[in-house]
Amino acid sequence: DVKVTQSSRYLVKRTGEKVFLECVQDMDHENMFWYRQDPGLGLRLIYFSYDVKMKEKGDIPEGYSVSREKKERFSLILESTSTNQTSMYLCASSPGLAAPSGQYFGPGTRLTVT
Amino acid sequence: ILNVEQSPQSLHVQEGDSTNFTCSFPSSNFYALHWYRWETAKSPEALFVMTLNGDEKKKGRISATLNTKEGYSYLYIKGSQPEDSATYLCAFMNDYKLSFGAGTTVTVRA
Repeated sequence: DVKVTQSSRYLVKRTGEKVFLECVQDMDHENMFWYRQDPGLGLRLIYFSYDVKMKEKGDIPEGYSVSREKKERFSLILESTSTNQTSMYLCASSPGLAAPSGQYFGPGTRLTVT
Repeated sequence: ILNVEQSPQSLHVQEGDSTNFTCSFPSSNFYALHWYRWETAKSPEALFVMTLNGDEKKKGRISATLNTKEGYSYLYIKGSQPEDSATYLCAFMNDYKLSFGAGTTVTVRA
């Protein structure tokens, strides 16, 4: 079974703090994604990566950056958190951008910024 | 961000009853339509990836149909069971990115 793990399930930070959210997948997938999910909205794509050291902006990249130094690990960085970044963050991976298997998701990190 | 709409937002079903709900998406530049099930405290899990107009897919008691010309997909649950309680997400693939609907939350009452 594909496993996608995220470093924390719950995180509470103060405004202005720096946050690293880590995601690791164990199936040698090329592609990794970061989404955020807010009540009443669908998952929104922040960034994705189709190869090591490669990254592409998603629909809402402002206020975020990413790092992919190793194939299995994709990090989301919030340089200076703000209250509007309080959200559920989900990582996903897939073997191809248009994989018929769909994307495999981690359990999510619920971030609260106070 | 592409407009993907799901309705209803939530529904309650009696155990044993069947139900269905809708995902509508842009009918142009279609590549694929994904369905995911997201149970509370778990990760979203892929149910179906559909690519062809008229496609029908089935997994146990859950099935889905696809109409790419008019831009909609239906998900059906036959004989609902409490374990079917979850939020069902659809996502439209365009330019290799997924745009998700807000989901339909299904609660099955015993």
